[in-house]
Amino acid sequence: TQLLEQSPQFLSIQEGENLTVYCNSSSVFSSLQWYRQEPGEGPVLLVTVVTGGEVKKLKRLTFQFGDARKDSSLHITAAQPGDTGLYLCAGARGGNEKLTFGTGTRLTIIP
Amino acid sequence: GAGVSQTPSNKVTEKGKYVELRCDPISGHTALYWYRQSLGQGPEFLIYFQGTGAADDSGLPNDRFFAVRPEGSVSTLKIQRTERGDSAVYLCASSLGTPRSEAFFGQGTRLTVV
Repeated sequence: TQLLEQSPQFLSIQEGENLTVYCNSSSVFSSLQWYRQEPGEGPVLLVTVVTGGEVKKLKRLTFQFGDARKDSSLHITAAQPGDTGLYLCAGARGGNEKLTFGTGTRLTIIP
Repeated sequence: GAGVSQTPSNKVTEKGKYVELRCDPISGHTALYWYRQSLGQGPEFLIYFQGTGAADDSGLPNDRFFAVRPEGSVSTLKIQRTERGDSAVYLCASSLGTPRSEAFFGQGTRLTVV
């Protein structure tokens, strides 16, 4: 059972457009992470957010943690073909315990 | 090596056979995790080691699955009497074991049970 639901499941947009991916849960997490996964590879960490309401920026990517620490969003500005991949959110409830992963969003940027 | 290494990268086995999947974590990482990722899904937690001991094995689906880490470094995930439903990518990750330390993932082992 996936406790973290991501939407949309699939997204295909033109290069240069903006997009937002959502990660929602009914559970509270002590921290939330976003990963990107390429085919045949393991997930690679993009960012960790720990404080309710926190916003972090990584170049064209903006990550936000909900005030209640139950949800998060990833916004990409001016998407590029290199942004193509599977985006996963993952929540943790302890300091260094197992991660609960979301259902994933498969993003395709069309040149 | 510099990263988490998993072997083999691909494994095809017949239903009912026994398989072992190996994970070499980053040197010095005390925490080691196993996850399973089915096609089109996010990874699902299987088991977490802190040192040699399994700190949390609540994700193992049944008693056909077992994992060891005898010296606190390399870990082996063992699956007995494999079933077609066990087919998935098995991912290993390791971290320093300190609070909120980053977990680094291997490339995974793709297991196919025919």
